[in-house]
Amino acid sequence: DQQVKQNSPSLSVQEGRISILNCDYTNSMFDYFLWYKKYPAEGPTFLISISSIKDKNEDGRFTVFLNKSAKHLSLHIVPSQPGDSAVYFCAASITGNQFYFGTGTSLTVIP
Amino acid sequence: NAGVMQNPRHLVRRRGQEARLRCSPMKGHSHVYWYRQLPEEGLKFMVYLQKENIIDESGMPKERFSAEFPKEGPSILRIQQVVRGDSAAYFCASSAEQGGTEAFFGQGTRLTVV
Repeated sequence: DQQVKQNSPSLSVQEGRISILNCDYTNSMFDYFLWYKKYPAEGPTFLISISSIKDKNEDGRFTVFLNKSAKHLSLHIVPSQPGDSAVYFCAASITGNQFYFGTGTSLTVIP
Repeated sequence: NAGVMQNPRHLVRRRGQEARLRCSPMKGHSHVYWYRQLPEEGLKFMVYLQKENIIDESGMPKERFSAEFPKEGPSILRIQQVVRGDSAAYFCASSAEQGGTEAFFGQGTRLTVV
């Protein structure tokens, strides 16, 4: 039972353009959402998070948007850089419980 | 402040042997999560522990797998009588509080069963 879904396994974007990674969830009890970035043979690295009381959180080139009514969140990277090429996982949690991860989207930024 | 430390990074075991994976959380973190990533798949939750307690083990296979987080020392994920299907990358993460904060991951242990 996949409670967090990333329906696009891969995404290719030209350098300098915007990358938009999407994530859907099914459990309305989730109250904290996170994005992680993962390079091959390394552990996931925390990127950005958002609480359910907000609908947007920005950190430099990275912005996460949360649409609670649609149970959807997205990560925007602008401008995209070749070093952003990695697998991106979204995750969700209910305060006090485990983190649920999506299956990941592999982003390739083309120079 | 060292990050989450996992060892070994690579572990090779023959079928039927035992595998022990260790995870030392970040300093000050008392919550540990174990995840498994099978080839071409995402991160699958296995178990969530606090010091000396298993909080949620709903993702753990019913047999052969166990986890502990003792009062002193690292968290241990133990796989008995390994089979080829146990070959995967096992990641440990730690957090300071229950939910509501980010979890920080170690670099993982890649288990290969031959």
